[in-house]
Amino acid sequence: NAGVTQTPKFRVLKTGQSMTLLCAQDMNHEYMYWYRQDPGMGLRLIHYSVGEGTTAKGEVPDGYNVSRLKKQNFLLGLESAAPSQTSVYFCATTGMATEAFFGQGTRLTVV
Amino acid sequence: KNQVEQSPQSLIILEGKNCTLQCNYTVSPFSNLRWYKQDTGRGPVSLTIMTFSENTKSNGRYTATLDADTKQSSLHITASQLSDSASYICVVNGATNKLIFGTGTLLAVQP
Repeated sequence: NAGVTQTPKFRVLKTGQSMTLLCAQDMNHEYMYWYRQDPGMGLRLIHYSVGEGTTAKGEVPDGYNVSRLKKQNFLLGLESAAPSQTSVYFCATTGMATEAFFGQGTRLTVV
Repeated sequence: KNQVEQSPQSLIILEGKNCTLQCNYTVSPFSNLRWYKQDTGRGPVSLTIMTFSENTKSNGRYTATLDADTKQSSLHITASQLSDSASYICVVNGATNKLIFGTGTLLAVQP
């Protein structure tokens, strides 16, 4: 998964705490995505960005916010974490009609 | 609703045997279809990507087929190896470069 770096890799939050996940890519791709993966379910799109300064809602955006101030970075924020947000989060980047590259994932537990 | 369905949910085969995984989709418009391999605890890694006009594409022991008329795809793994044990995810790229994920087929290759 070279080229897409997620930080942190693991995190435990208490209900109501906030945090920001960082995704950084060095492939100069326009498109970036945040997904969550839960047992028995496919990756679900939270938010995505089609370029610097743009963001859009995906399938499950509630409880999350994002920002794309720089082309190489896509931030995912949880303002007030809830146990339902316990999941594995993946960042991805792609060019049009090219393969998507994924980060290694962030395992988040909200207690 | 745009959906991607995969079968079987899980599969156990003996090392050296072949297997075929199925993917049916209802995504429209359709840009391309991808197969990814996801090892436990890792991000998905691309195996193949096929556009509307492509019927088959190979990547080593992996061969993907696509029938855009019936909206079906398959991934055939030849001479399976223990390292093939993973989740295989079918992903359809619809409009605006949004990737729609299937829930995956969990493959276990036993010695």
